[in-house]
Amino acid sequence: QSALTQPASVSGSPGQSIAISCTGTSRDVGAYNYVSWYQQHPGKAPKLIIYDVTKRPSGVSNRFSGSKSGNTASLTISGLQADDEANYYCASYGSALFGGGTKLTVL
Amino acid sequence: EVQLVESGGELVQPGGSLRLSCAASGFTFSSSWMAWVRQPPGRGLEWLGNIKPDGSVKNYVDSVKGRFTFSRENGENSLFLQMNGLRAEDTAVYYCARDWAFQQFDYWGQGTLVTVSS
Repeated sequence: QSALTQPASVSGSPGQSIAISCTGTSRDVGAYNYVSWYQQHPGKAPKLIIYDVTKRPSGVSNRFSGSKSGNTASLTISGLQADDEANYYCASYGSALFGGGTKLTVL
Repeated sequence: EVQLVESGGELVQPGGSLRLSCAASGFTFSSSWMAWVRQPPGRGLEWLGNIKPDGSVKNYVDSVKGRFTFSRENGENSLFLQMNGLRAEDTAVYYCARDWAFQQFDYWGQGTLVTVSS
């Protein structure tokens, strides 16, 4: 089982949109619609923000959206806010592993 | 309100053993797959494995297979992680989480720190 690949860091200014990619293989991301995304602020537990590729749990802002094309899933955050600055992790059924994480900096 | 509360983390010497606990409330624990996830200091998340609601199936990542054991006591809404043969690279915050469906984790505990050092 291989790890999922994410960019180490992304950045954006308040109000802008950013996207974080999560690249897997045809045995995980490409095979199943069970990609999830987690937000983790320093010193805190991860929080589920996207599941089943595109769905948001109750209470999660609609500024967060997910998509998938082939073996790559993406998390898009629109209307960036200061509180969005955090680490983001993807996960996919079939891989048994999280992505390496992406640090989002809000400039 | 859903709560997962881990306990048992502490400083332990290499080769030692430790048992972590996770107390669950606010959801039907006995019907839930549960998972353990760890995070070494300053690093990313690592899925350790999961355990079926009735405890009959346990899946482990290769790095802990044979050293770590998952168990649960549904009557007490509790999940356990027995760790033997601890190594320095096992140093991490350990989280329990509900594996809601297909390795998607909707509830997380606050984590408990395990430090393996002499």
